[in-house]
Amino acid sequence: AQSVAQPEDQVNVAEGNPLTVKCTYSVSGNPYLFWYVQYPNRGLQFLLKYITGDNLVKGSYGFEAEFNKSQTSFHLKKPSALVSDSALYFCAVRGSSRNRDDKIIFGKGTRLHILP
Amino acid sequence: KAGVTQTPRYLIKTRGQQVTLSCSPISGHRSVSWYQQTPGQGLQFLFEYFSETQRNKGNFPGRFSGRQFSNSRSEMNVSTLELGDSALYLCASSRGGTSEYREQYFGPGTRLTVT
Repeated sequence: AQSVAQPEDQVNVAEGNPLTVKCTYSVSGNPYLFWYVQYPNRGLQFLLKYITGDNLVKGSYGFEAEFNKSQTSFHLKKPSALVSDSALYFCAVRGSSRNRDDKIIFGKGTRLHILP
Repeated sequence: KAGVTQTPRYLIKTRGQQVTLSCSPISGHRSVSWYQQTPGQGLQFLFEYFSETQRNKGNFPGRFSGRQFSNSRSEMNVSTLELGDSALYLCASSRGGTSEYREQYFGPGTRLTVT
């Protein structure tokens, strides 16, 4: 069965420093991987996704994520954090319907605090 | 383009009652998914509908059910409410089909409180 883990409940980063939010997954076959962000009092928003191709994926608001097949990871990164990046971040994985593993599974979320 | 809308936004119900939540997807989106969000469990998948057919189902008891109409609007129903059903219920839509790689667009959610 597929699964996704976000090992850190909370990450604190000083403004201007690089940030990383970790995500590891397990799925049969090739994964479809997603990052979503939930700002306070706002709905979940799509940030970026990996389908195939380049391992480094660029998304909204200057975020990027690196797909690492051997480590089954899809960590979210940003070179220079902003206070406005403070939010709850969710990693999600979905397999292919061919493998009957195509429910989308979300991680428990990582709360990112950017300190001014 | 209007986003995903959910009604009602807030709901207070008593244990044992039932509740129906509604979701209108983005125009042109044919896939609708439902999630339960709680502080302890995070975001948990309930079910996914495409073209009025349930395509996937999460690990929730049979008290949780849903349906999708021909205009892609969807409803979910929870019968015999329990205190543990208190949560934010999120609806998401996507273009759907066999395109598992398509991102989802989420509504603001319905905050259900069971007393």
